Amino acid sequence: DQQVKQNSPSLSVQEGRISILNCDYTNSMFDYFLWYKKYPAEGPTFLISISSIKDKNEDGRFTVFLNKSAKHLSLHIVPSQPGDSAVYFCAASATGNQFYFGTGTSLTVIP
Amino acid sequence: DVKVTQSSRYLVKRTGEKVFLECVQDMDHENMFWYRQDPGLGLRLIYFSYDVKMKEKGDIPEGYSVSREKKERFSLILESASTNQTSMYLCASTAQGGIQPQHFGDGTRLSIL
Repeated sequence: DQQVKQNSPSLSVQEGRISILNCDYTNSMFDYFLWYKKYPAEGPTFLISISSIKDKNEDGRFTVFLNKSAKHLSLHIVPSQPGDSAVYFCAASATGNQFYFGTGTSLTVIP
Repeated sequence: DVKVTQSSRYLVKRTGEKVFLECVQDMDHENMFWYRQDPGLGLRLIYFSYDVKMKEKGDIPEGYSVSREKKERFSLILESASTNQTSMYLCASTAQGGIQPQHFGDGTRLSIL
């Protein structure tokens, strides 16, 4: 059973606008959440993380929001740039050793 | 800079063959992982290892085994390859202590004919 879900397989956004990628999880024991970005023919690269003691973490154009009661997190990219076009995976962990990944959302930023 | 290297980018093998996928990291990381990535299924953990000669099953270990004889190297073995093992295989590593983001290799696209 998928413990981490990304219900939108794809998203298209105009350059300069905000991109919002969503992720839901079912396991209330998860206490650490990460977002990875993946270009074709490359491995995923770490983007940003958040622990369950916070509800927001910001790094430049990227902000992750965590709503523990809804078991939901989101990644905001502002402003979106064409180089942001990639597949984005959210991941969650309860122990720090095993990570559970979502199915990914393919973001296309249109120039 | 952090580097996880997977020995092959593309590999084509036949059903029934024994297949070895190799992964090497240069960061002295204790933890290493093997995932497979399939459309609509995301990344699924096959096996992971906390230390040399130690291994733990992930979510989908059936049909696979692993070997960790040296800290820097983690091998995934398909004992008798089947067509349903055609996939993208990703290796990752992290340091121990706290919760660390994983560093991934570029993947091996394996086709079993």
